[in-house]
Amino acid sequence: DTGVSQDPRHKITKRGQNVTFRCDPISEHNRLYWYRQTLGQGPEFLTYFQNEAQLEKSRLLSDRFSAERPKGSFSTLEIQRTEQGDSAMYLCASSFREGGGNIQYFGAGTRLSVL
Amino acid sequence: LAKTTQPISMDSYEGQEVNITCSHNNIATNDYITWYQQFPSQGPRFIIQGYKTKVTNEVASLFIPADRKSSTLSLPRVSLSDTAVYYCLVGLANAGGTSYGKLTFGQGTILTVHP
Repeated sequence: DTGVSQDPRHKITKRGQNVTFRCDPISEHNRLYWYRQTLGQGPEFLTYFQNEAQLEKSRLLSDRFSAERPKGSFSTLEIQRTEQGDSAMYLCASSFREGGGNIQYFGAGTRLSVL
Repeated sequence: LAKTTQPISMDSYEGQEVNITCSHNNIATNDYITWYQQFPSQGPRFIIQGYKTKVTNEVASLFIPADRKSSTLSLPRVSLSDTAVYYCLVGLANAGGTSYGKLTFGQGTILTVHP
């Protein structure tokens, strides 16, 4: 399968713990995005990278959140000192900047439950 | 980014054609119109994208009137497996500026197909 891959699919953690999610984009895609989705809502943008550069961060991304894409390939999203309000589906998407109409291809997501 | 308005929910029956209309009165000259489909516990999946007139692919058709203030996603002969949430998005397709990499989702339209 050459689609966007996210790991883990599910994560249950206790409040105050740190969690890290991984995203592997489609190999030739140079843009990578993170979104968060809560029940009944559409995905909300968190941040995106072009290659290894983080070009935009949403105001939703508090200082407890950090994202990296060290070599311009896979990306990690870390949440420190998790809170119950962090419970959501975290989606990763990738696209190819040159042409392609900025069509973003999404992974299946990581569902985080903070107890 | 232009705001979109679409029905919260729609019901249909197998074999019928379904048309979902999206309003985007403030669409900008360079904005494209893109539709995504999302099943429970999965990431959104690209369906179709257009700028004006009509676009058709193997999954759907997209009708865009001359003023581009609305668009209609047409799904021919739906089946039970088309039950999903459908999102209409408006924005730059070939995003050259850093501000337009993200996608802005609304709440979408919940389509339920009945036997």
